Amino acid sequence: SAVISQKPSRDICQRGTSLTIQCQVDSQVTMMFWYRQQPGQSLTLIATANQGSEATYESGFVIDKFPISRPNLTFSTLTVSNMSPEDSSIYLCSVQVAGLAGAREQYFGPGTRLTVT
Amino acid sequence: DAKTTQPTSMDCAEGRAANLPCNHSTISGNEYVYWYRQIHSQGPQYIIHGLKNNETNEMASLIITEDRKSSTLILPHATLRDTAVYYCIVRVNTNAGKSTFGDGTTLTVKP
Repeated sequence: SAVISQKPSRDICQRGTSLTIQCQVDSQVTMMFWYRQQPGQSLTLIATANQGSEATYESGFVIDKFPISRPNLTFSTLTVSNMSPEDSSIYLCSVQVAGLAGAREQYFGPGTRLTVT
Repeated sequence: DAKTTQPTSMDCAEGRAANLPCNHSTISGNEYVYWYRQIHSQGPQYIIHGLKNNETNEMASLIITEDRKSSTLILPHATLRDTAVYYCIVRVNTNAGKSTFGDGTTLTVKP
């Protein structure tokens, strides 16, 4: 298993500003992901945070808007840039660990609730 | 990764078994079935996974049909704390695989 913490847990930001969310894992993990969950919606994968190289973004998400850093195997940051009210969501960090019988279990942080006014 | 279809919502009486279905008719031979749940205001929680055999752990049982086109998650004795959104996901069991979340099933356990 893995224990994940995120900071901040919530924030209220003004449009046009940027917020950096931190994700800390209690063990070294290869695969780390960032998800967004808009109000009342399911989770959408933003990107895979790669250690030592640029993140891999999903369709509809770009590096200029959501820059990601992954300096080591236990830490990552997601920045939400030039925010608008449409960016109001919960942002979740997730890691994938190898479980029994080759399972790829994902563990999620508690999320960062962002409100943009 | 294959697409899944789940009912939008289900109710279950406390203490009874909750049976949550999932259709994944386009599943590939190397894709596994995973189940997660998300309790309100928390991150999703891994429950169980399987390939083709039925699986059981301390949380739930997973029944996969022989043709692997559908599966059922069983919570044997549902409690109020099992009220959550349950997600069925199919994916390959490699680091290249990704978990794509659909809309899930909102299970409400009633006293």
